[in-house]
Parts: sequence; C-alpha cells; structure tokens
Amino acid sequence: GDSVTQMEGPVTLSEEAFLTINCTYTATGYPSLFWYVQYPGEGLQLLLKATKADDKGSNKGFEATYRKETTSFHLEKGSVQVSDSAVYFCALLHGSSNTGKLIFGQGTTLQVKP
Amino acid sequence: KAGVTQTPRYLIKTRGQQVTLSCSPISGHRSVSWYQQTPGQGLQFLFEYFSETQRNKGNFPGRFSGRQFSNSRSEMNVSTLELGDSALYLCASRKDSGKRDTQYFGPGTRLTVL
Repeated sequence: GDSVTQMEGPVTLSEEAFLTINCTYTATGYPSLFWYVQYPGEGLQLLLKATKADDKGSNKGFEATYRKETTSFHLEKGSVQVSDSAVYFCALLHGSSNTGKLIFGQGTTLQVKP
Repeated sequence: KAGVTQTPRYLIKTRGQQVTLSCSPISGHRSVSWYQQTPGQGLQFLFEYFSETQRNKGNFPGRFSGRQFSNSRSEMNVSTLELGDSALYLCASRKDSGKRDTQYFGPGTRLTVL
C-alpha cells in the first residue's frame, strides 16, 4: 500500500542554518504531496503542497519539489528561525480517487536554538 | 473565514465509558475526515464523511464510529473506551470540489482515558 517515510528526528539546528528534512513515498499513480507543521499543543497547519511531478511548493521560506524519478518531496529552508521549531509531517493523498485519506510520515521534530 | 473547530479541546474519561467528539468544518466545506494521533502510531486515518455518508474508513475497530449532519458538522464516537484510545483526535475539512483539494485541520481534542 501507499506509504511515506521521513528522516528520523529530532533535528537540532542553530538559527540561520540550512534545513533539509527528507521525505520519500511509495504510491501507485500520481499522488499529491504535502508538508504539514504542528506547533506544540496545536493541530496541523498546511505548509506547502505539490500536485504533480516537478511542481515546487513554497511558503514562508520553505520549499519542496515533487520528484517522481526519486519518489521524494524533501523540505528545505535556507535560514531557519527559532520560531520554526515544530514537528513537520510529510503526507500524500492518493491521486486516483476522490478520497480525503491522507497518509502521513512519522513526523520529524525540529528544534532551532538561538 | 473561521477555521475548523473542535469541541471539547480536552476530555478525561475512564475505561469502559463512551465519548463523543464534535467537529465543525470551514463554511462551504463538505467533506470531513478524522485522524488519531498517538506517539507510537503517529497519525492514522479513521474515516471520512461526505454528504452525511461515510466514504472511506481506516483500520480501526467498530468501537469507533462517526456521522455527519446535513450542515456538514461531524461527530465521532468511541464506545467502551480502552487505555490505548488516549490520543489527540484531529478533524479535517475540505471543499471536495475536486480530487486535489487541500485539507484543513482543527486544533484537535485531547482524550485521556484513565
């Protein structure tokens, strides 16, 4: 079945460092891909998305490119801030049916130190 | 525009009891999905409702049930609570006008079973 694998955390960075969180997926067809972020005590917020191969999603300085050849959707940010500390989830939505079933990776905790 | 709201935000129950959680989607959104988040299993899909009908169901026992009302509000019910049901329950809504709709999450209901 469909699945998403994220790099294990926690990831600890200093402020202004470069961030990469790896995400790979297994799915038939052409899924849509998402990054969600969860701050302590809150629900999930959509960070960015991409719906087809080679699409680049971007928001708040974060970027991710849908790479079908490597089945990847890695999250990057050039300069992280303390306020980016959160848990990041990669997710896919199967493209072949009108379903709302998101499949999530296990989440990666990011801690940014001043 | 108001976001997805969930009530109550926190709930404490004892084993064997039942519980009902409520979700009000974003105005105009017709699809509501429910997810369970635990430290061990991560984010898992429970079920999805559209036009008062369950459209998709995850791999959970029959103790977990839900429904959707004509105004798209949704409830989920867990009967005969077990310790392992302690989790953050997240509701998400989407417009459902196409296959690639984005899901927007509520803040969640934190259920603790003692």
